[in-house]
Amino acid sequence: QVQLVESGGGVVQPGRSLRLSCAASGFTFGHYAMHWVRQAPGKGLEWLAIISFDGNSEFFADSVRGRFTISRDNPKSTVFLQMNSLRADDTAVYYCARDLNRYAFGNPEYWGQGTLVTVAS
Amino acid sequence: DIQLTQSPSSLSASVGGRVTISCRASQTITTFLNWYQQKPGQAPKLLIYAASHLQSGVPSRFSGNGSGTDFTLAISSLQPEDFATYYCQQSFNTPQTFGPGTKVDIK
Repeated sequence: QVQLVESGGGVVQPGRSLRLSCAASGFTFGHYAMHWVRQAPGKGLEWLAIISFDGNSEFFADSVRGRFTISRDNPKSTVFLQMNSLRADDTAVYYCARDLNRYAFGNPEYWGQGTLVTVAS
Repeated sequence: DIQLTQSPSSLSASVGGRVTISCRASQTITTFLNWYQQKPGQAPKLLIYAASHLQSGVPSRFSGNGSGTDFTLAISSLQPEDFATYYCQQSFNTPQTFGPGTKVDIK
C-alpha cells in the first residue's frame, strides 16, 4: 500500500532554514509527481509546490516562491522541501502527497500524516 | 491565481440527511476540480477527482458535479463518519489552490 512519511519538522527561529523529507513506499516513486501542502493551526489547506516525476519541472505558490525549493531523489524514493528565510506565518503542519496521475501533473491523491513546523524565537 | 470560494462555510445536518456544498472558481477550470474530506488530526482524503469521478474506496453516497466555474459535492445520506471539513481544490493550473473549506457537523 502507498505510504508517505514526512520528517524534519520542529521548532526553528525566524530567518532560519529547515529541510523536510518525505519517504515514499508502496508504489513506483519515479512515475509520479509529488506535492507539498501545508495547514496552519486551525486554518485551511494551502498548496505549496509540485515537482514532476523526473524532477525536471517544479512550481510553487506565490507565498513561498523564492524561499522554498522542492527536489527529489528517485533512487531513494524521497522528496524534499527546503525552506529558507522562515517566518512566523510558515508555522503549520506540512504534508507531502503523491499525485493522482502517472507522468503528469494532477491533484494530490495519497497523503502523509504530516510534520509540524513551528517558527518562533 | 485561481480563487475558490465555498458555500456554506459551515452547516449542521442530521444523520441520514442530504448535504450539498458548493464551490465556485474565479475563472473556468473545466472539470479540474477535486474534493477532499478532512477529519480533525488527520490528513485530507481524496473523495472526488475531475469534478465527478469517485475515488476508489469512497462510498457511493458521495457525488460531485459541475464544470466551468460552478461545482457541487453532495452527500446523499449522511453517516456519523461523514462529519468533517470538506475542501474543494483546483488542479487546472499552478499554483493549485484550495477552497476555504466547509465544516459539516451534527445537528
